[in-house]
Amino acid sequence: GDSVTQMEGPVTLSEEAFLTINCTYTATGYPSLFWYVQYPGEGLQLLLKATKADDKGSNKGFEATYRKETTSFHLEKGSVQVSDSAVYFCGAGSSGSARQLTFGSGTQLTVLP
Amino acid sequence: DAGVIQSPRHEVTEMGQEVTLRCKPISGHDYLFWYRQTMMRGLELLIYFNNNVPIDDSGMPEDRFSAKMPNASFSTLKIQPSEPRDSAVYFCASSPTGVQPQHFGDGTRLSIL
Repeated sequence: GDSVTQMEGPVTLSEEAFLTINCTYTATGYPSLFWYVQYPGEGLQLLLKATKADDKGSNKGFEATYRKETTSFHLEKGSVQVSDSAVYFCGAGSSGSARQLTFGSGTQLTVLP
Repeated sequence: DAGVIQSPRHEVTEMGQEVTLRCKPISGHDYLFWYRQTMMRGLELLIYFNNNVPIDDSGMPEDRFSAKMPNASFSTLKIQPSEPRDSAVYFCASSPTGVQPQHFGDGTRLSIL
């Protein structure tokens, strides 16, 4: 089945630093790819998504590009803020199949002022 | 728009008691998912429904767990009898027909003493 591997945390950065969280996937076919964010005490929220190769998802200054050749969907942000501190989950979902949404293990990000 | 609503937000009970977690999905979403999140195992899919019918319950840990969806706007996850190892955060999520992403509730934090 599908699997998602993401960078282990925790990650600690200073405010305004550059962020990269790596994510790679294995899947049959071409899944849709997602990044979710979980703030303390809350559920997962969709951060961004991409549905086909070379698509770039973006939201709130975060970006990720669907790279078919490297089966990757790395999350980046040019300048992190304290409010970005959260757990980030990479996910892969087969098109047309709600069942096939597989999450990575999550990466805890802490941004220090 | 109202999101996915879960109740209770917190539940503390003694081992052996019956626990019922509740979920109201987003109106119009045909898929409903129950997840469990722990530090050790991360985010696990327990069961999901399509149009109120259970489709895949292979993630349900054992017979003590059961889930129902009597109508399109309500689902329950029941644990009977509960055990300390069931302590976790339980999330409900819903998604539209054949389309991702999934929308998560804020979760129920369950503690079994």
